[in-house]
Amino acid sequence: GESVGLHLPTLSVQEGDNSIINCAYSNSASDYFIWYKQESGKGPQFIIDIRSNMDKRQGQRVTVLLNKTVKHLSLQIAATQPGDSAVYFCAENNAGNMLTFGGGTRLMVKP
Amino acid sequence: NAGVTQTPKFQVLKTGQSMTLQCAQDMNHNSMYWYRQDPGMGLRLIYYSASEGTTDKGEVPNGYNVSRLNKREFSLRLESAAPSQTSVYFCASSDPLGGYGYTFGSGTRLTVV
Repeated sequence: GESVGLHLPTLSVQEGDNSIINCAYSNSASDYFIWYKQESGKGPQFIIDIRSNMDKRQGQRVTVLLNKTVKHLSLQIAATQPGDSAVYFCAENNAGNMLTFGGGTRLMVKP
Repeated sequence: NAGVTQTPKFQVLKTGQSMTLQCAQDMNHNSMYWYRQDPGMGLRLIYYSASEGTTDKGEVPNGYNVSRLNKREFSLRLESAAPSQTSVYFCASSDPLGGYGYTFGSGTRLTVV
């Protein structure tokens, strides 16, 4: 079936470095993608989204890139901080259906 | 500015006991969802409610029932808890259905012994 997956289950970066978290999706009909951040003991929190008619979207310290040719989504975090330590999920939406969530990548920031 | 509120935050049940997880949202969203999250796995949809008065099964509905009490409240019931239902349960809401990101509650950690 269609699924959303992540390449790296754990990513460890040095404080101040840039982080890149990747996600592969298999449903070519998906038209809306979201990145969520989940801190320990909390619910997922919306970070940034992108629609399929775009290939890049920037927020505060975060950038999402969408490559529809290879069905790949990435989240870039600039100048990673200890507060960025969390599990990050990508999610896709297919034409108004339910969001499908990936398994998550844990980001660990070393001081 | 509460968003999505879930109660309780923690619960321990014995096998066979029943309980209801409560969820309320104050964002006037039409759609609400119940997910479970197991270690090393993503969020799996249990049930959802596209609008007040409607409910539908998600990916893993067996062993659960739901009630959309009104536009604000969406409850999840375990009639006879099993150890396999040990998990963290998240309620979420959105408007429209499936779109523009979901707002999640802080979760209920349920242990069935």
